[in-house]
Amino acid sequence: DAGITQSPRHKVTETGTPVTLRCHQTENHRYMYWYRQDPGHGLRLIHYSYGVKDTDKGEVSDGYSVSRSKTEDFLLTLESATSSQTSVYFCAISERGEQYFGPGTRLTVT
Amino acid sequence: KNEVEQSPQNLTAQEGEFITINCSYSVGISALHWLQQHPGGGIVSLFMLSSGKKKHGRLIATINIQEKHSSLHITASHPRDSAVYICAVPEESYNTDKLIFGTGTRLQVFP
Repeated sequence: DAGITQSPRHKVTETGTPVTLRCHQTENHRYMYWYRQDPGHGLRLIHYSYGVKDTDKGEVSDGYSVSRSKTEDFLLTLESATSSQTSVYFCAISERGEQYFGPGTRLTVT
Repeated sequence: KNEVEQSPQNLTAQEGEFITINCSYSVGISALHWLQQHPGGGIVSLFMLSSGKKKHGRLIATINIQEKHSSLHITASHPRDSAVYICAVPEESYNTDKLIFGTGTRLQVFP
């Protein structure tokens, strides 16, 4: 157990509203990731972080921003939610090359 | 950039059968990952391997670096093995920080 929690676990929001998802880890891991998982696609990287205030874009970063002001928290923000962002979002950390995943957040944009 | 393919997409088996799931990738890598996603949605790392074979209980993972191919085997399958099995490789051979994931193999094992 890599001590990863995500909040909220479920959220329903309306198109056009901003949404922030939180990933929290307790073991001081340097690398943190945000993925989305959709039917017919593998997990796809949205953004990742390799340290406090060090972030980089992934494959599907449009419409998302991230922040990491402290080691333990990695925030994912949907600036103006759209129905295409309805998905399950997973946070992960990397430890010695292996990735460990949080429980996921199911987001529905209506 | 690497590409990863898994086969089959879906697999059904009777309890006790030997299961094989395959993963192929296009660019040389340092390590390949096998993950399991439970019906409830949680994702667990099963193996990370860079050569040869690894075994954990009834699960065996093998990799052939020259052929850019890996297999995940389940011996004496059980209904609790029902899950989606996902293969992942580094997006680029020299950067192991970012992974790309296969679309998964959905396994159902019936009693």
